[in-house]
Parts: sequence; structure tokens; C-alpha cells
Amino acid sequence: DSGVTQTPKHLITATGQRVTLRCSPRSGDLSVYWYQQSLDQGLQFLIQYYNGEERAKGNILERFSAQQFPDLHSELNLSSLELGDSALYFCASSAAGRTYEQYFGPGTRLTVT
Amino acid sequence: KNQVEQSPQSLIILEGKNCTLQCNYTVSPFSNLRWYKQDTGRGPVSLTIMTFSENTKSNGRYTATLDADTKQSSLHITASQLSDSASYICVVSATNQGGKLIFGQGTELSVKP
Repeated sequence: DSGVTQTPKHLITATGQRVTLRCSPRSGDLSVYWYQQSLDQGLQFLIQYYNGEERAKGNILERFSAQQFPDLHSELNLSSLELGDSALYFCASSAAGRTYEQYFGPGTRLTVT
Repeated sequence: KNQVEQSPQSLIILEGKNCTLQCNYTVSPFSNLRWYKQDTGRGPVSLTIMTFSENTKSNGRYTATLDADTKQSSLHITASQLSDSASYICVVSATNQGGKLIFGQGTELSVKP
């Protein structure tokens, strides 16, 4: 158990809809990262937050947005969903100054039908 | 361009046998390299992390090596078990990119009885 929690575990929704994925980092970790992993694909970095502020952006679509709240939990919002958005979405967290040492959550499996 | 390439893409071995997975990277300037194990549908779990000055690190039956001159790493698994069946991902961090992780595509290992 990495100490990173994600909810929900599974999500099934229709095209055009909007969903919110939630992540709680390990206790004390200030950084949260979001990744997308499509079927048979590697992990794709989406975005990083550090103590509430956006720190780095990866291959995140404009239809996607994220935020980190004062209690350090983070939410990833996916809107105008398309079939191709079906994937595993992972959240990871790390301590301050230890970006290279990320601990991953169990993931949310999103299925868009 | 910073890249991480892993080989083979997939590997099938018999239980009890040893195997070696390869990782070549072009990430520069190099900060550290990690090997993760990812069970199907679950979050990656870190196996080892090596910095520039380290050329070998062990974690139980897993031994990682690093040659920073040739920019190659290997993960050797000894006396494989059925539970070793997973994807093994090589992840490299550069010092000048805020700790951004560059992920390899992974090697899919299947251990058969």
C-alpha cells in the first residue's frame, strides 16, 4: 500500500459527459501528479501540483483540468468525454524536493461508452 | 530528445528461471533511474532507484545495474516466481527538468508454471 488513495476505482460514463477523479496523497507529501495510461500504452504525464499551485504540465488536453486543494487532495476533471479517453488514470505523490520518488495510487479505470 | 527505450517488449519464461530486462536512455543531464513493477490494472510500485554514482542495487530477487557512460540499465530477476508476472517500467529523471520523469514503455513479463 503506497499510502496514495484514489476514488472511484471504476467509472463508466457516456461520451460527452464530465467526470471528476479524486486523489489523496501520502501524508506529508506536497506534490501530486496525474498520469493517463491507455490500453497497452505507457504512462503519460498529465500535470503536477505542488502545495496547491500548478508546477508542471504534460500532455494534458484542454478538456481536462485539475486542482489541488488546501488539504492537499487533488481532483482531475475530464469533460466532453470521448471514447479515446477510456484509460487508467493514476495519481502519484512525492515529498518536497523528491520529485523523482513518486508513490502511485491504485488508479481509476475510466470507461467511456 | 529525452527518451527511454526498453527491451524486450515482452518476455515469457518458466518459473524458477532467471531473466534480464534492458533499458537504454538518452536523458541528459541524468539524475536517477528507477525500475517500477506494475501489476495489471494496478499502480506502479518502485523496485529500485539508482543515482549517477551507483552501478548496482538489489531488492530481494531483483538486481538493477546502471552504466551511466553507455546510458544503459538492466533489471535481473533471479529464480522467477509466478507473481513476478507484470510490466516492468524503467523511469529516468533529468536534473534540469524539475524532476520530470521520462517513462519507458515497459517490458511485459509472463512467468509460466
